[in-house]
Amino acid sequence: GAGVSQSPSNKVTEKGKDVELRCDPISGHTALYWYRQSLGQGLEFLIYFQGNSAPDKSGLPSDRFSAERTGGSVSTLTIQRTQQEDSAVYLCASSLETSRETQYFGPGTRLLVL
Amino acid sequence: LAKTTQPISMDSYEGQEVNITCSHNNIATNDYITWYQQFPSQGPRFIIQGYKTKVTNEVASLFIPADRKSSTLSLPRVSLSDTAVYYCLVPVYNQGGKLIFGQGTELSVKP
Repeated sequence: GAGVSQSPSNKVTEKGKDVELRCDPISGHTALYWYRQSLGQGLEFLIYFQGNSAPDKSGLPSDRFSAERTGGSVSTLTIQRTQQEDSAVYLCASSLETSRETQYFGPGTRLLVL
Repeated sequence: LAKTTQPISMDSYEGQEVNITCSHNNIATNDYITWYQQFPSQGPRFIIQGYKTKVTNEVASLFIPADRKSSTLSLPRVSLSDTAVYYCLVPVYNQGGKLIFGQGTELSVKP
């Protein structure tokens, strides 16, 4: 079956521009997560969705970051007024609500802010 | 929050068995121990999970002693393709299901 997909796979943008990253979770997975991984670093949690609501937004680094999920499926992560320090790989994962420790990750979106 | 500690890096040769030990001294009664594998330029991949004693699947074995304060991931007869970063996690459910990834163990398998 299809896994988690993310688009675009790569994004180069100029400082100050807004970017939108998309995640398509595995069908039937009600839990969805966004993580960020900077070059040579571990993964950093950003936000968790339970259905369309986000009970945990504690990892969003600033108010320039926002995310939404519609229809209990696709999610978008938006970064406004991008900064160079936003350059990283943004990973999306999904899971069953009853098995949140078993998360399936997508290939990531590599964001480069010039 | 059960913090995990594991070696930053390990080297091995093809055909050897590799054991990566993770410490989680503050693990709670209901916590499971979960291991993920991450290849370069890919997202992490779940490989194994356990609560106590021993768990084995087609990829690895996980050994957990009775006190559960540590766990050992065992990779039998590694190949070059097992070169990856291995993360030990103790998910905390009251944190909303987010996974707290440490630095992981970078395993390098040499010919």
